[in-house]
Amino acid sequence: DQQVKQNSPSLSVQEGRISILNCDYTNSMFDYFLWYKKYPAEGPTFLISISSIKDKNEDGRFTVFLNKSAKHLSLHIVPSQPGDSAVYFCAASAHTGNQFYFGTGTSLTVIP
Amino acid sequence: KAGVTQTPRYLIKTRGQQVTLSCSPISGHRSVSWYQQTPGQGLQFLFEYFSETQRNKGNFPGRFSGRQFSNSRSEMNVSTLELGDSALYLCASSSSVEETQYFGPGTRLLVL
Repeated sequence: DQQVKQNSPSLSVQEGRISILNCDYTNSMFDYFLWYKKYPAEGPTFLISISSIKDKNEDGRFTVFLNKSAKHLSLHIVPSQPGDSAVYFCAASAHTGNQFYFGTGTSLTVIP
Repeated sequence: KAGVTQTPRYLIKTRGQQVTLSCSPISGHRSVSWYQQTPGQGLQFLFEYFSETQRNKGNFPGRFSGRQFSNSRSEMNVSTLELGDSALYLCASSSSVEETQYFGPGTRLLVL
């Protein structure tokens, strides 16, 4: 039962444009959300997080938006750079739980 | 602060053998979670340890087990290896499981 879904396996964007990666979840108890970036043969690297008390969190070129009513979050990367090419995972947890649930990832390619 | 380390980085085993993977968390982190990553499956949660206690376990057979030591280092063991166990095994540490998890580089296991 996939509680966190990333329905786009891949995304291609021109350098300098905006990349928007989407993530949907089903469990209304989730209250903490993370985005990770993963290069091949490496472990995921933490990018940005958001708690359910916020609807937006920004860190440099990365902004995460949370729409609790739609159970949807998105990661915006502006401007996109070739070095952003990687697989991006979203993850969610409930404060009362003991694990994070991960999506299946979206492979982002930024074209120079 | 040193990051999460995992040993070995690569491993080749044959069916029926067993394997033990090791994870050293970030200093001060007491929660260690283990994940299996296979192509197209995202990160599947194996189990989480906190202060030497397994607090949560994912939907994996009993062949997968783990433990945590008093210094928070953790090991996972897979017995009677199957071809389908070939994957990247990742561990992540955090100060508590609800907080951001930081991943190690992973151990790539190939079962022949």
